[in-house]
Amino acid sequence: GQSLEQPSEVTAVEGAIVQINCTYQTSGFYGLSWYQQHDGGAPTFLSYNALDGLEETGRFSSFLSRSDSYGYLLLQELQMKDSASYFCAVLAAGNKLTFGGGTRVLVKP
Amino acid sequence: NAGVMQNPRHLVRRRGQEARLRCSPMKGHSHVYWYRQLPEEGLKFMVYLQKENIIDESGMPKERFSAEFPKEGPSILRIQQVVRGDSAAYFCASSPAEGYQETQYFGPGTRLLVL
Repeated sequence: GQSLEQPSEVTAVEGAIVQINCTYQTSGFYGLSWYQQHDGGAPTFLSYNALDGLEETGRFSSFLSRSDSYGYLLLQELQMKDSASYFCAVLAAGNKLTFGGGTRVLVKP
Repeated sequence: NAGVMQNPRHLVRRRGQEARLRCSPMKGHSHVYWYRQLPEEGLKFMVYLQKENIIDESGMPKERFSAEFPKEGPSILRIQQVVRGDSAAYFCASSPAEGYQETQYFGPGTRLLVL
């Protein structure tokens, strides 16, 4: 089976940088995805890493190390609208996404 | 270009009743996934379907729960004889047919409340 670990909550101020770590244990690993979910909303896709390294998309970047079974999501220049829950998810054999428990990011003025 | 649609958005049922949740995938998508989310928790995979086929139902409770994705019409998640523990948000996601399904597009969810 799969298991993922990520911190439950992170608090930071506007303009700061936040790094959300995700470690996973899985078989048949394809890649690591990140999703954002605002309270009461639907998860929305942020990024996907299949290969080692850093992928940058605007203020958000995602990193993967397959050998360490580890990835992170980096949120830069934090804005109030970034307050949300962020989920890492492993895509494994069978096309199944397994989600972590989520990290609640609270951005303060 | 309509996204994934789910209805109803909110559903209230009494214990013992049936709940039917509908999901229409994005246009051109033939893969549908159902997830359940309890408050303050992550999404738990329930079932993965393609048109007229259940591909993986390993996350589905063995009793009372069923899912289908017919040739025509939306995917349906059916919960029979609901209990209070079924209260949760149920999300449907879809992805296109080709390649790995790393990008899943989620619908707005159905919030089920069992009284």
